[in-house]
Amino acid sequence: KAGVTQTPRYLIKTRGQQVTLSCSPISGHRSVSWYQQTPGQGLQFLFEYFSETQRNKGNFPGRFSGRQFSNSRSEMNVSTLELGDSALYLCASSSTSGVETQYFGPGTRLLVL
Amino acid sequence: AQSVTQLGSHVSVSEGALVLLRCNYSSSVPPYLFWYVQYPNQGLQLLLKYTSAATLVKGINGFEAEFKKSETSFHLTKPSAHMSDAAEYFCAVSYQTGANNLFFGTGTRLTVIP
Repeated sequence: KAGVTQTPRYLIKTRGQQVTLSCSPISGHRSVSWYQQTPGQGLQFLFEYFSETQRNKGNFPGRFSGRQFSNSRSEMNVSTLELGDSALYLCASSSTSGVETQYFGPGTRLLVL
Repeated sequence: AQSVTQLGSHVSVSEGALVLLRCNYSSSVPPYLFWYVQYPNQGLQLLLKYTSAATLVKGINGFEAEFKKSETSFHLTKPSAHMSDAAEYFCAVSYQTGANNLFFGTGTRLTVIP
Protein backbone atom coordinates (compact mmCIF):
# COMPACT_ATOMS: atom_id res chain seq x y z
CA LYS A 1 0.00 0.00 0.00
CA ALA A 2 1.14 3.51 -0.66
CA GLY A 3 1.94 5.51 2.44
CA VAL A 4 0.55 8.81 3.61
CA THR A 5 1.24 11.55 1.11
CA GLN A 6 1.33 15.24 1.78
CA THR A 7 1.40 18.08 -0.69
CA PRO A 8 3.13 20.35 -1.14
CA ARG A 9 6.34 19.31 0.60
CA TYR A 10 7.66 22.84 0.91
CA LEU A 11 5.88 26.16 0.94
CA ILE A 12 6.90 29.76 1.42
CA LYS A 13 4.28 32.35 2.29
CA THR A 14 4.24 35.87 3.66
CA ARG A 15 2.53 37.16 6.76
CA GLY A 16 -1.18 37.71 6.36
CA GLN A 17 -1.62 35.19 3.58
CA GLN A 18 -3.50 31.96 3.93
CA VAL A 19 -2.36 28.45 3.08
CA THR A 20 -3.96 25.08 2.41
CA LEU A 21 -2.13 21.82 2.96
CA SER A 22 -3.29 18.47 1.69
CA CYS A 23 -3.03 14.96 3.06
CA SER A 24 -3.95 11.68 1.41
CA PRO A 25 -4.18 8.84 3.93
CA ILE A 26 -3.30 5.23 3.40
CA SER A 27 -5.99 3.51 1.37
CA GLY A 28 -8.77 2.30 3.65
CA HIS A 29 -7.83 4.55 6.56
CA ARG A 30 -10.64 6.75 7.78
CA SER A 31 -8.93 8.79 10.48
CA VAL A 32 -6.60 11.66 9.70
CA SER A 33 -4.79 13.69 12.35
CA TRP A 34 -2.68 16.80 11.94
CA TYR A 35 0.30 17.86 14.02
CA GLN A 36 2.52 20.92 14.07
CA GLN A 37 6.23 20.49 14.76
CA THR A 38 8.41 23.44 15.71
CA PRO A 39 11.80 23.63 17.45
CA GLY A 40 10.30 25.64 20.31
CA GLN A 41 7.02 23.86 20.96
CA GLY A 42 7.82 20.40 19.65
CA LEU A 43 5.06 18.22 18.29
CA GLN A 44 1.57 19.46 19.00
CA PHE A 45 -1.77 17.96 18.04
CA LEU A 46 -3.94 20.17 15.86
CA PHE A 47 -7.06 18.13 15.10
CA GLU A 48 -8.38 14.75 14.04
CA TYR A 49 -10.99 13.94 11.44
CA PHE A 50 -12.86 10.70 11.16
CA SER A 51 -15.50 10.02 8.52
CA GLU A 52 -15.60 13.71 7.58
CA THR A 53 -16.23 14.82 11.19
CA GLN A 54 -13.80 16.57 13.47
CA ARG A 55 -13.37 14.27 16.47
CA ASN A 56 -10.76 16.10 18.50
CA LYS A 57 -9.13 19.49 18.47
CA GLY A 58 -5.93 20.72 20.04
CA ASN A 59 -5.25 24.08 21.59
CA PHE A 60 -4.77 26.20 18.50
CA PRO A 61 -6.48 29.43 17.46
CA GLY A 62 -9.39 29.46 15.08
CA ARG A 63 -7.07 30.48 12.23
CA PHE A 64 -6.26 26.79 11.99
CA SER A 65 -9.02 24.75 10.44
CA GLY A 66 -9.43 21.54 8.56
CA ARG A 67 -11.80 19.31 6.74
CA GLN A 68 -12.05 15.80 5.45
CA PHE A 69 -13.62 14.63 2.24
CA SER A 70 -15.65 11.52 1.55
CA ASN A 71 -12.55 9.75 0.19
CA SER A 72 -10.82 10.45 3.55
CA ARG A 73 -8.41 12.96 2.05
CA SER A 74 -7.94 15.89 4.36
CA GLU A 75 -6.93 19.50 4.08
CA MET A 76 -5.87 21.95 6.70
CA ASN A 77 -6.04 25.67 6.25
CA VAL A 78 -4.23 28.42 8.09
CA SER A 79 -5.54 31.92 7.58
CA THR A 80 -3.80 35.21 8.31
CA LEU A 81 -0.39 33.59 8.60
CA GLU A 82 1.98 34.70 11.34
CA LEU A 83 5.73 34.22 11.54
CA GLY A 84 5.20 31.71 14.33
CA ASP A 85 3.25 29.46 12.01
CA SER A 86 6.50 28.44 10.34
CA ALA A 87 6.70 24.74 11.08
CA LEU A 88 6.64 21.22 9.77
CA TYR A 89 3.03 20.11 9.49
CA LEU A 90 2.59 16.38 9.78
CA CYS A 91 -0.41 14.37 8.82
CA ALA A 92 -1.08 10.90 10.19
CA SER A 93 -3.66 8.33 9.23
CA SER A 94 -5.07 5.31 10.99
CA SER A 95 -7.71 2.77 10.18
CA THR A 96 -10.14 3.87 12.88
CA SER A 97 -10.39 6.48 15.55
CA GLY A 98 -9.40 4.68 18.70
CA VAL A 99 -5.73 4.78 19.68
CA GLU A 100 -4.79 2.87 16.61
CA THR A 101 -1.31 2.99 15.18
CA GLN A 102 -0.90 6.23 13.31
CA TYR A 103 1.15 6.31 10.13
CA PHE A 104 2.80 9.62 9.44
CA GLY A 105 3.44 11.35 6.17
CA PRO A 106 6.71 13.17 5.37
CA GLY A 107 5.22 16.53 6.28
CA THR A 108 4.86 19.91 4.66
CA ARG A 109 7.46 22.45 5.69
CA LEU A 110 5.92 25.91 5.80
CA LEU A 111 8.05 29.02 6.00
CA VAL A 112 6.31 32.31 6.72
CA LEU A 113 8.27 35.44 5.86
CA ALA B 1 -2.98 17.01 32.66
CA GLN B 2 -1.54 14.56 30.23
CA SER B 3 2.21 14.89 29.79
CA VAL B 4 5.29 13.04 28.81
CA THR B 5 8.82 13.85 29.92
CA GLN B 6 11.87 12.71 28.03
CA LEU B 7 15.04 13.02 30.06
CA GLY B 8 17.99 14.11 27.99
CA SER B 9 17.53 16.04 24.78
CA HIS B 10 20.75 14.55 23.42
CA VAL B 11 22.21 11.11 24.03
CA SER B 12 25.46 9.83 22.57
CA VAL B 13 26.48 6.18 22.55
CA SER B 14 29.26 4.23 20.90
CA GLU B 15 28.43 1.80 18.15
CA GLY B 16 27.64 -1.54 19.78
CA ALA B 17 26.79 -0.02 23.15
CA LEU B 18 23.47 -0.14 24.95
CA VAL B 19 20.91 2.47 23.98
CA LEU B 20 18.67 3.77 26.77
CA LEU B 21 16.24 6.60 26.12
CA ARG B 22 14.10 7.67 29.05
CA CYS B 23 10.42 8.51 29.10
CA ASN B 24 8.15 9.22 32.05
CA TYR B 25 4.47 9.95 31.89
CA SER B 26 2.05 11.58 34.26
CA SER B 27 -1.30 9.95 34.52
CA SER B 28 -3.93 8.83 36.94
CA VAL B 29 -5.43 6.48 34.39
CA PRO B 30 -3.77 3.77 32.33
CA PRO B 31 -2.19 5.35 29.31
CA TYR B 32 -1.38 4.15 25.85
CA LEU B 33 2.31 4.73 25.19
CA PHE B 34 4.27 4.95 21.97
CA TRP B 35 7.80 5.45 20.75
CA TYR B 36 8.34 7.05 17.37
CA VAL B 37 11.56 7.72 15.46
CA GLN B 38 12.16 10.58 13.07
CA TYR B 39 14.99 10.62 10.57
CA PRO B 40 16.09 13.95 9.04
CA ASN B 41 13.55 15.44 6.68
CA GLN B 42 11.14 12.61 7.24
CA GLY B 43 7.93 11.98 9.12
CA LEU B 44 7.56 9.83 12.19
CA GLN B 45 7.81 6.06 12.17
CA LEU B 46 6.29 3.92 14.91
CA LEU B 47 8.85 1.83 16.79
CA LEU B 48 6.52 0.22 19.30
CA LYS B 49 3.40 0.78 21.37
CA TYR B 50 1.98 -0.28 24.72
CA THR B 51 -1.76 -0.76 25.00
CA SER B 52 -2.11 -2.56 28.34
CA ALA B 53 -1.13 -6.02 27.15
CA ALA B 54 2.37 -7.32 27.96
CA THR B 55 4.49 -4.83 29.88
CA LEU B 56 7.60 -5.63 27.83
CA VAL B 57 6.99 -4.49 24.30
CA LYS B 58 9.20 -5.44 21.39
CA GLY B 59 9.37 -3.18 18.40
CA ILE B 60 11.12 -2.87 15.10
CA ASN B 61 14.88 -2.63 14.54
CA GLY B 62 15.69 -4.43 17.78
CA PHE B 63 14.14 -1.84 20.09
CA GLU B 64 12.04 -2.69 23.11
CA ALA B 65 10.44 -0.83 25.99
CA GLU B 66 9.12 -1.83 29.37
CA PHE B 67 6.04 -0.29 30.94
CA LYS B 68 6.59 0.21 34.67
CA LYS B 69 3.50 1.52 36.36
CA SER B 70 5.19 1.97 39.74
CA GLU B 71 7.78 4.25 38.14
CA THR B 72 5.41 5.76 35.53
CA SER B 73 8.11 5.02 32.99
CA PHE B 74 8.35 3.62 29.49
CA HIS B 75 12.06 3.67 28.67
CA LEU B 76 13.28 2.60 25.25
CA THR B 77 16.27 0.27 24.97
CA LYS B 78 18.35 -1.50 22.37
CA PRO B 79 21.18 -3.83 23.36
CA SER B 80 23.60 -2.78 20.64
CA ALA B 81 23.54 0.56 18.85
CA HIS B 82 24.01 0.74 15.11
CA MET B 83 25.04 3.75 13.10
CA SER B 84 21.65 3.69 11.39
CA ASP B 85 19.95 4.28 14.77
CA ALA B 86 21.08 7.91 14.77
CA ALA B 87 17.83 9.89 14.70
CA GLU B 88 15.40 11.73 16.94
CA TYR B 89 13.16 9.66 19.16
CA PHE B 90 9.82 10.73 20.55
CA CYS B 91 7.80 9.22 23.34
CA ALA B 92 4.07 9.84 23.08
CA VAL B 93 1.02 9.15 25.19
CA SER B 94 -2.70 8.91 24.58
CA TYR B 95 -5.31 8.59 27.28
CA GLN B 96 -8.51 8.41 25.33
CA THR B 97 -10.03 5.46 23.66
CA GLY B 98 -11.77 6.62 20.56
CA ALA B 99 -9.26 9.37 19.98
CA ASN B 100 -6.05 9.69 18.06
CA ASN B 101 -4.60 12.77 19.70
CA LEU B 102 -1.11 11.98 20.85
CA PHE B 103 0.84 14.05 23.37
CA PHE B 104 4.52 13.98 22.51
CA GLY B 105 7.62 14.44 24.58
CA THR B 106 10.23 16.95 23.51
CA GLY B 107 12.34 14.32 21.82
CA THR B 108 15.81 12.84 22.31
CA ARG B 109 18.39 13.11 19.60
CA LEU B 110 20.52 9.97 19.50
CA THR B 111 24.07 10.17 18.17
CA VAL B 112 25.98 6.98 17.50
CA ILE B 113 29.75 7.30 17.63
CA PRO B 114 31.72 4.92 15.42
